[in-house]
Amino acid sequence: NAGVTQTPKFRILKIGQSMTLQCAQDMNHNYMYWYRQDPGMGLKLIYYSVGAGITDKGEVPNGYNVSRSTTEDFPLRLELAAPSQTSVYFCASSYSGSQPQHFGDGTRLSIL
Amino acid sequence: GESVGLHLPTLSVQEGDNSIINCAYSNSASDYFIWYKQESGKGPQFIIDIRSNMDKRQGQRVTVLLNKTVKHLSLQIAATQPGDSAVYFCAENLQGAQKLVFGQGTRLTINP
Repeated sequence: NAGVTQTPKFRILKIGQSMTLQCAQDMNHNYMYWYRQDPGMGLKLIYYSVGAGITDKGEVPNGYNVSRSTTEDFPLRLELAAPSQTSVYFCASSYSGSQPQHFGDGTRLSIL
Repeated sequence: GESVGLHLPTLSVQEGDNSIINCAYSNSASDYFIWYKQESGKGPQFIIDIRSNMDKRQGQRVTVLLNKTVKHLSLQIAATQPGDSAVYFCAENLQGAQKLVFGQGTRLTINP
């Protein structure tokens, strides 16, 4: 059982480039989340989704976009990478808002 | 319980001692609480959860205590081991909400 799978694990981007961080879960969870974690800091919610076709902004959505065309996948898109987006990005999923979220191993993104 | 962007507080304990990690949550209407452990370079891992109709819940070497009067949550780890060194996050779910609100985290260091 793979759980939550994030790809890539590491990536270096140049300022202004774009990329998509992939997240897939095989637990049939309706709820999926994207967080960023800066060094030595806590988790900040970027976007979340409560089901296919439904997405909502978290506390730090600027500079990011998401889509949820299937239950399994929840990609995060950076359109114009900026140095402030250098961070570790975590995807998580859960059955509901009041159930444990299961996290992936993260994508470490550096923008230079 | 809100992540406010502060650097992590730290707690150091001797191997074999018990440790207590505290968390003040923000909303008296929250009815679900959860503790996560995050080891270096990994995603957060579920430890234990508790609902507001309980005051205490025990797991393997861990106990979570909930004091709704003062909006306080604690995680007790018995007989700490080197593998317990990690950052520990509390999180709360406002009744009916679709997402968790994470605390800022506490870095636990186990001294030999």
